[in-house]
Amino acid sequence: GQNIDQPTEMTATEGAIVQINCTYQTSGFNGLFWYQQHAGEAPTFLSYNVLDGLEEKGRFSSFLSRSKGYSYLLLKELQMKDSASYLCAVTDSNYQLIWGAGTKLIIKP
Amino acid sequence: DTGVSQDPRHKITKRGQNVTFRCDPISEHNRLYWYRQTLGQGPEFLTYFQNEAQLEKSRLLSDRFSAERPKGSFSTLEIQRTEQGDSAMYLCASSSGTGDISPLHFGNGTRLTVT
Repeated sequence: GQNIDQPTEMTATEGAIVQINCTYQTSGFNGLFWYQQHAGEAPTFLSYNVLDGLEEKGRFSSFLSRSKGYSYLLLKELQMKDSASYLCAVTDSNYQLIWGAGTKLIIKP
Repeated sequence: DTGVSQDPRHKITKRGQNVTFRCDPISEHNRLYWYRQTLGQGPEFLTYFQNEAQLEKSRLLSDRFSAERPKGSFSTLEIQRTEQGDSAMYLCASSSGTGDISPLHFGNGTRLTVT
């Protein structure tokens, strides 16, 4: 079957750095997305990786290793507004998106 | 670009009633998706359209669920004879994908509560 694993919840301190990991087992691979979802709101697109390596976008970076079936989202200089759920999603060989359950990130002052 | 809009934002209905939700995608997007999401879970795929054609429907979708996208613009999702297990957030998303990978743009969802 297809599976995406992420930690259920993480806590970090304002101003610090946090890394949210995602591992996947899917039938084929056509890219990995990270989305941010604040409570009661819709998911919003953060990043997309299809090749191995690090993609940096401001305070957020996303890394992919296809051989290991592994990605992480790195958030720097954490702000209170970063408190949200972070969803990892993989596009399989049929171009269907397989979603993880999300990681709830709690930022403490 | 006004984004993806969904109506209504909230719907409370009694078990056994029918409900219909509407989604207006971003105007130039030809792909439209419906997802269902419950608390603490990722979005669960229901169905998707390329223009007006419904190309895929989840096996999880029972015969009580139907979706349409007449003229390839807005879409409706109808649930007949609602059950308490249908209570969830129903998300619509659109993308401009034409074979390449395009990120999904989500609406704010319709929260359904079946009593």
